Amino acid sequence: ETGVTQSPTHLIKTRGQQVTLRCSSQSGHNTVSWYQQALGQGPQFIFQYYREEENGRGNFPPRFSGLQFPNYSSELNVNALELDDSALYLCASSKEEDPGTGQSYEQYFGPGTRLTVT
Amino acid sequence: AQKITQTQPGMFVQEKEAVTLDCTYDTSDPSYGLFWYKQPSSGEMIFLIYQGSYDQQNATEGRYSLNFQKARKSANLVISASQLGDSAMYFCAMREGLYSSYKLIFGSGTRLLVRP
Repeated sequence: ETGVTQSPTHLIKTRGQQVTLRCSSQSGHNTVSWYQQALGQGPQFIFQYYREEENGRGNFPPRFSGLQFPNYSSELNVNALELDDSALYLCASSKEEDPGTGQSYEQYFGPGTRLTVT
Repeated sequence: AQKITQTQPGMFVQEKEAVTLDCTYDTSDPSYGLFWYKQPSSGEMIFLIYQGSYDQQNATEGRYSLNFQKARKSANLVISASQLGDSAMYFCAMREGLYSSYKLIFGSGTRLLVRP
């Protein structure tokens, strides 16, 4: 196990509702990334948070938003849910250091939250 | 634009045999990292192996090795001595840049089934 936890495990919501997903990163990690994985596809990058600031964003609309807290845990919020938002949402944590250290930074994934929108 | 292509939707392998999962990539950045992840039915993405674009030797991690052919832009995963527990989805992923954990671009995955 990676030490990255996510809650809840499963969630069912109705179209138009709002949802909050939570992620606790691995101890010592200061960066959290969120991915959406639709059924039968590879994960797609939503955004990344580093030291409580958004550090990059994929091709997702503004109704996908996030937060990172001082303890480096994170939330993903999705407003105005659509049927196509049904997916497995994966959180990944990693440790950012100064560039040029010569290290590769693996992302350690949590077990995911499966969201179903009806 | 970055792209990862996995052309094998599904593969079968006999237990104890070796199997190669294909991955090709496209990027204009000379510095990049290539990853393979395993995703069992539970959903968690499990890191298997990493190859940096400037690494001279192919990466190996236990039964996993990465056949890195830079000129062909391919990064195939070789699993030796397959075990029943290797049955899962396998994803190839890439990030541009070597020293950051910035976003991964994933392929569509290959489902591997190990037969007893």
